[in-house]
Amino acid sequence: DSGVTQTPKHLITATGQRVTLRCSPRSGDLSVYWYQQSLDQGLQFLIHYYNGEERAKGNILERFSAQQFPDLHSELNLSSLELGDSALYFCASSAFGQGGQETQYFGPGTRLLVL
Amino acid sequence: KNEVEQSPQNLTAQEGEFITINCSYSVGISALHWLQQHPGGGIVSLFMLSSGKKKHGRLIATINIQEKHSSLHITASHPRDSAVYICAVRVRGAQKLVFGQGTRLTINP
Repeated sequence: DSGVTQTPKHLITATGQRVTLRCSPRSGDLSVYWYQQSLDQGLQFLIHYYNGEERAKGNILERFSAQQFPDLHSELNLSSLELGDSALYFCASSAFGQGGQETQYFGPGTRLLVL
Repeated sequence: KNEVEQSPQNLTAQEGEFITINCSYSVGISALHWLQQHPGGGIVSLFMLSSGKKKHGRLIATINIQEKHSSLHITASHPRDSAVYICAVRVRGAQKLVFGQGTRLTINP
């Protein structure tokens, strides 16, 4: 158990709908990363938040948005869903160890199926 | 061409064999990660490297910054090592990770 929680575990919805995925980082971790893993694209970085502020954006579609709240949990909002959005969505929180090296701890993922 | 390339894509070996998985990258990096993804989907961070070599149990990771190459070795492989191993690089100056396509490892008893 990494200490990172994600809800829901599974989500089935229809094209055109909107869903919200939730992530709670490990206690004390200020960074949250979101990733998408689809069968054809592998793992892709979507977005990174640190202490409530957006730090970096990757391959995140305009239909997707995210935020990190004052209690440090994060939500990823996916709208106008398409069949191709079906994927595993992971979040990870990170901590810095000795020498400033960062370790990411991954949540169990949310499996999204768009029908 | 992907910025991060792994080889082989699939690897099947017998229990006890020495395993090597390779990762080459084409961008400047500040760090390289090796991740393990279990059949159920969960991802575990194995190593983060910025230089040299790290060892944890039967796992060894090395990186050659000049050659832009890293290897993950597993000694005395065991069926429970069966998983997908993913190399990811942190692009220098950015906060994002770029991932390889993964290597699917199967260890037969």
